[in-house]
Amino acid sequence: GAVVSQHPSRVICKSGTSVKIECRSLDFQATTMFWYRQFPKQSLMLMATSNEGSKATYEQGVEKDKFLINHASLTLSTLTVTSAHPEDSSFYICSARDLQGAAYEQYFGPGTRLTVT
Amino acid sequence: GENVEQHPSTLSVQEGDSAVIKCTYSDSASNYFPWYKQELGKRPQLIIDIRSNVGEKKDQRIAVTLNKTAKHFSLHITETQPEDSAVYFCAASIRNQGAQKLVFGQGTRLTINP
Repeated sequence: GAVVSQHPSRVICKSGTSVKIECRSLDFQATTMFWYRQFPKQSLMLMATSNEGSKATYEQGVEKDKFLINHASLTLSTLTVTSAHPEDSSFYICSARDLQGAAYEQYFGPGTRLTVT
Repeated sequence: GENVEQHPSTLSVQEGDSAVIKCTYSDSASNYFPWYKQELGKRPQLIIDIRSNVGEKKDQRIAVTLNKTAKHFSLHITETQPEDSAVYFCAASIRNQGAQKLVFGQGTRLTINP
């Protein structure tokens, strides 16, 4: 149980275009989903917290107009990187918290490697 | 804000020996401390966690200890095996903007030498 999927697993896009990444909880309902960014050989940095039916809350320094988050249902959150630039190239990982589970546990998706050329 | 410091950044041990990774946190309200193992290009996998109402937890070769007074917690891996080689992250929970979040340490690259 507690499986989280992400799509796509890898994406290459040209500078200036937008990319959408999907995060799905497959066998549970997620009240909250989190979006992280991980640069090579670095830790996971929380970008934003996404709650179903409400606006996402962004961490300090993360541009909300550049990283659009939509949490339309209890099983799906999307992250859209708008007007992507090479410096946005990174590993994007989502995680989800089970509505019925422990208050703290997060289940991670497999990640999406974004390369902006 | 909350800060989690993790040491060492790299650790190399002989197969069969023990490995210890240490973390300190700054927010005294933190009450959940998970440890994740991440292999290259893969998702972080929860290997063990501890809540603030206990001081130690063990699961086979893996144990975690927590000292709330000193605000530090440690991961202990005994009888290490080559498949233990990976990057390990500690994390501490915080409550910010009405939500429970995790703050991660910088990571430790563990190498088990056969």
